[in-house]
Amino acid sequence: AQSVAQPEDQVNVAEGNPLTVKCTYSVSGNPYLFWYVQYPNRGLQFLLKYITGDNLVKGSYGFEAEFNKSQTSFHLKKPSALVSDSALYFCAVRDINTDKLIFGTGTRLQVFP
Amino acid sequence: EAQVTQNPRYLITVTGKKLTVTCSQNMNHEYMSWYRQDPGLGLRQIYYSMNVEVTDKGDVPEGYKVSRKEKRNFPLILESPSPNQTSLYFCASSLRPPGMGYGYTFGSGTRLTVV
Repeated sequence: AQSVAQPEDQVNVAEGNPLTVKCTYSVSGNPYLFWYVQYPNRGLQFLLKYITGDNLVKGSYGFEAEFNKSQTSFHLKKPSALVSDSALYFCAVRDINTDKLIFGTGTRLQVFP
Repeated sequence: EAQVTQNPRYLITVTGKKLTVTCSQNMNHEYMSWYRQDPGLGLRQIYYSMNVEVTDKGDVPEGYKVSRKEKRNFPLILESPSPNQTSLYFCASSLRPPGMGYGYTFGSGTRLTVV
C-alpha cells in the first residue's frame, strides 16, 4: 500500500535561516509526490509536485523539494525562511490504484523573528 | 475568481440532528471530494465523486452521505451526527483525480462541533 510519513510534528526555525520539512514515501512503482500548505483558517493550497524529470522541483513562494529515490524521500526546502511561512505543511503521494492523494499527518512550521 | 465555497464555516449542533454542509465549485471540475482533518491524523477522505451521479466511499465514510446531482455541488450530509464527528471538514475539487497531477482546490473549511 502507498503511504507517506512526516516524521516531525513541528519544525522551528529562525527567520532568514534555511528550512527543511521532511517527507518519506512508500509506493510500488514510480511515485507522484506533492506538497500542500495550510495557512491558519484556510484550506490547503498546492505548493509543488514531482511526477518525472529533474529531482529538484521548484514551487510557489520560493519553496523547492528534492526527490531522492534511493532514500525514498521528498523533503521540502527553502533557502531563507520568512515569518509568513509559518503554517501546516502536508506531503502527499498518489495512490496508483485510484489516482487519489494519500496525505501525511502534517508538519507545523514555526518561523521565529 | 476560481474557488470552492463551503458553508457554513462554523457549526455547533446536537447529537442526532441532521445537518448538511454545502460545497460548490465554479471551475467545471469533474472530481470532488470531502475530507476531515483531525489532530495527529492528517486528512482522511470521506467520500469522493468522479462526476455527476458517480460517488464512492473514501477511507472514513461511516456516518456520512453525499450526492452529486449537479457538477458544481457536492453536499455532505450527516443524518444523525455524533460527537466523534466533531472535526474540521474540507471540500476539494479538481479537473480529474488529483493524483494524476491536476491542481486540487480546497475550500476554506467547516468546523463542526457535535455536542
